[in-house]
Amino acid sequence: DAGITQSPRHKVTETGTPVTLRCHQTENHRYMYWYRQDPGHGLRLIHYSYGVKDTDKGEVSDGYSVSRSKTEDFLLTLESATSSQTSVYFCAITKDSTWYGYTFGSGTRLTVV
Amino acid sequence: AQSVAQPEDQVNVAEGNPLTVKCTYSVSGNPYLFWYVQYPNRGLQFLLKYITGDNLVKGSYGFEAEFNKSQTSFHLKKPSALVSDSALYFCAVRSDYKLSFGAGTTVTVRA
Repeated sequence: DAGITQSPRHKVTETGTPVTLRCHQTENHRYMYWYRQDPGHGLRLIHYSYGVKDTDKGEVSDGYSVSRSKTEDFLLTLESATSSQTSVYFCAITKDSTWYGYTFGSGTRLTVV
Repeated sequence: AQSVAQPEDQVNVAEGNPLTVKCTYSVSGNPYLFWYVQYPNRGLQFLLKYITGDNLVKGSYGFEAEFNKSQTSFHLKKPSALVSDSALYFCAVRSDYKLSFGAGTTVTVRA
């Protein structure tokens, strides 16, 4: 999707290993989000950021941490991956207004074996 | 807390027939409502939004949605469905710069 990229697109990792997913934007938007998508649950918010070094938890934040040292990059880290974290992870960005929805990245498919 | 519900996991229609995907919401204050579509192995794409004003909102790809405050609903509609409309559809409500999504409805349009 224009202006937002996620890396890697696919990853297989072993239980107990750390994993970092990257979201990069070129839109200079203030707000960035990490969601996970699982069948029957839709998208659930993991963490979000409202500025450089300003982050907060979403509804499913346990086992995840985030960092945002630059406006354009938002990193999601699984400190010790578990099988329950097998999912598709989406990053999203939005402008600083309640009038706008999100622009989503193409997703990262993570498999923890 | 803001939330949306999509009561149907799946909707099946024949090509050329009307398509409706249902969504109900629960909010305190004015609702900001959205519909997104997801095609296989892709991210979510914005279809339309309701912020204020006319209860009938027109969006991309011929879709529209009807906001009904008394029924707290925001149903997505298309007068004549296409096979290419087969996808996963999400309703969402925005609060404090966060979107809360429904579980999604899979739409299958048969030729």
